[in-house]
Amino acid sequence: QVQLQESGPGLVKPSQTLSLTCTVSGGSISTSNYYWSWIRQHPGKGLEWIGYIYYVGSTYYNPSLKSRVTISVDTSKNQFSLKLSSVTAADTAVYYCARVPRKYDLLTGYSANYFDNWGQGTLVTVSS
Amino acid sequence: EIVLTQSPGTLSLSPGERATLSCRASQSVSSNYLAWYQQKPGQAPRLLIYGASSRTPDFPDRFSGSGSGTDFTLTISRLEPEDFAVYYCQQYGSSPYTFGQGTTLEIK
Repeated sequence: QVQLQESGPGLVKPSQTLSLTCTVSGGSISTSNYYWSWIRQHPGKGLEWIGYIYYVGSTYYNPSLKSRVTISVDTSKNQFSLKLSSVTAADTAVYYCARVPRKYDLLTGYSANYFDNWGQGTLVTVSS
Repeated sequence: EIVLTQSPGTLSLSPGERATLSCRASQSVSSNYLAWYQQKPGQAPRLLIYGASSRTPDFPDRFSGSGSGTDFTLTISRLEPEDFAVYYCQQYGSSPYTFGQGTTLEIK
């Protein structure tokens, strides 16, 4: 049973960079079957997809956050990471990492499926 | 970007009743790439339905999904106490992948 666990600072100052890591256990991150994703949930609000990465390093980001987001992977540690720069109070949220099965379409090639396995989430507060 | 609108925002029902939750997309969801998630307080969302109508093994058959194009429905045939939660729909047919704002299913 694959499990995902987020880790990182719970408090970040405005204008700084938010950095989180997701550790995958019970299975290898270096699989052709999955992407690895970040999603966030503002307090009491809905869910927002941030982006995902393939184990070889290919990344796909939500255009609304693309200018500030970097997702990277460390296959030797079975981890992937999120960096979000120039944060403001609007970036205060619970951040989840999740596994995403890959799907293939003849017209569009490979892309993401649903989020089938989630970490427990970690609250990041942006405040001075 | 596909906007998903869920209705109602809150649904108040009693155990044993039938729940019908709606998810409407601003444009057609390709190949019915529509998922539903259940979220309980303090927990991460859990995948419930994918491909609009395929239920994951973790959930009993009282849960069912239906719909196509722009209109999708999650039905819970007979509510059990553990079913009261927030339900989100999500489309993965086109990027950016988007979620609805959620329907809160509460005990009446």
